[in-house]
Amino acid sequence: SQQGEEDPQALSIQEGENATMNCSYKTSINNLQWYRQNSGRGLVHLILIRSNEREKHSGRLRVTLDTSKKSSSLLITASRAADTASYFCATGGTDKLIFGTGTRLQVFP
Amino acid sequence: KAGVTQTPRYLIKTRGQQVTLSCSPISGHRSVSWYQQTPGQGLQFLFEYFSETQRNKGNFPGRFSGRQFSNSRSEMNVSTLELGDSALYLCASSLVAGIVSGNTIYFGEGSWLTVV
Repeated sequence: SQQGEEDPQALSIQEGENATMNCSYKTSINNLQWYRQNSGRGLVHLILIRSNEREKHSGRLRVTLDTSKKSSSLLITASRAADTASYFCATGGTDKLIFGTGTRLQVFP
Repeated sequence: KAGVTQTPRYLIKTRGQQVTLSCSPISGHRSVSWYQQTPGQGLQFLFEYFSETQRNKGNFPGRFSGRQFSNSRSEMNVSTLELGDSALYLCASSLVAGIVSGNTIYFGEGSWLTVV
């Protein structure tokens, strides 16, 4: 079963715009990880945020975590066509990652 | 350093056959997990191995099995294949077992299995 629900399911933007994806989860977590998946490929790890952290940055990525609301957001700034992919949040409780449903991002040149 | 390596990348099998997929984790990683990805069910956890022991198992039938070798390489096996087993099978590795605060989990490119 999937713990995370991501919103929106699909997002289309122009190059240069920012893209924001949200993830909600149900149970307590140790960390939350974001992954990118290009069509038909494996998952690429983007960023991990621990449960005691509120915000984290990595290049053009900014992740926030609100454990009181059981939600996280991923912001991609100044998007590029190469950012076109599906993005998944994965929550870690104690034993395994539970993935959200994913957001399909399309960035038009 | 090399990432998680999965073989084969693509394979086609017939219903009733069995299949073995292989995974080599990142050097130094001792935990290997397997996930199944389908359009309908999304990403589902299969099992995790650490130091040759299965630590955790997802909600899959006994036809799905795995093992880990002393060099941390892992294999998963699916017997008596069904059409619904068609999926992308992803292997992931991490330094330590389970989900602890800073334990980043890295995935391979996956093995595409088609059952006809």
